[in-house]
Amino acid sequence: DSGVTQTPKHLITATGQRVTLRCSPRSGDLSVYWYQQSLDQGLQFLIQYYNGEERAKGNILERFSAQQFPDLHSELNLSSLELGDSALYFCASSVAQMNTEAFFGQGTRLTVV
Amino acid sequence: AQKITQTQPGMFVQEKEAVTLDCTYDTSDPSYGLFWYKQPSSGEMIFLIYQGSYDQQNATEGRYSLNFQKARKSANLVISASQLGDSAMYFCAMRALNSGNTPLVFGKGTRLSVIA
Repeated sequence: DSGVTQTPKHLITATGQRVTLRCSPRSGDLSVYWYQQSLDQGLQFLIQYYNGEERAKGNILERFSAQQFPDLHSELNLSSLELGDSALYFCASSVAQMNTEAFFGQGTRLTVV
Repeated sequence: AQKITQTQPGMFVQEKEAVTLDCTYDTSDPSYGLFWYKQPSSGEMIFLIYQGSYDQQNATEGRYSLNFQKARKSANLVISASQLGDSAMYFCAMRALNSGNTPLVFGKGTRLSVIA
């Protein structure tokens, strides 16, 4: 158990819908990262938050947004969903001062039908 | 920007044998970290081992060791005494260390199959 909790584990939704993925980082970790893993694109970095502030942005679509709350949990919002958004979405967290670890949650498998 | 290359899409190894998974990287950052993750068929990403660019010794964690050759920009993962449970996807990743927690950049992975 990595200590990073993601909910839900599985999500099936229709095109055009909106979903919210939730991530609770390990206790004490201030950084949260979101990644998308699809068959054709591999593991792609989406966005990073550090202590509530957006720190870095990767290949995140405008239809996607995220935030990190005061209790440090994070949510990834995906809207106007398309079939191509079907993927495994991972959240990872790490401690502020340590670059040697990045632990991942179990992922949310999103299927858009 | 960082780039990770894993040239072996798939590998087979006999149980109890050792196997090396290749990883080369490219970066202009003077300080960086290299990571290996295991992803079994269940989907979770399991952190295996870390090597810092300024570490003098190669990292070791149980049956996992990282063969770090800085001049060649390679960070190969060596798994000794392979077990059936080692069958999984393996990802090499890196991050720059110059400005705090930067995102990980991943390679495309190598699928390892351990044969009994």
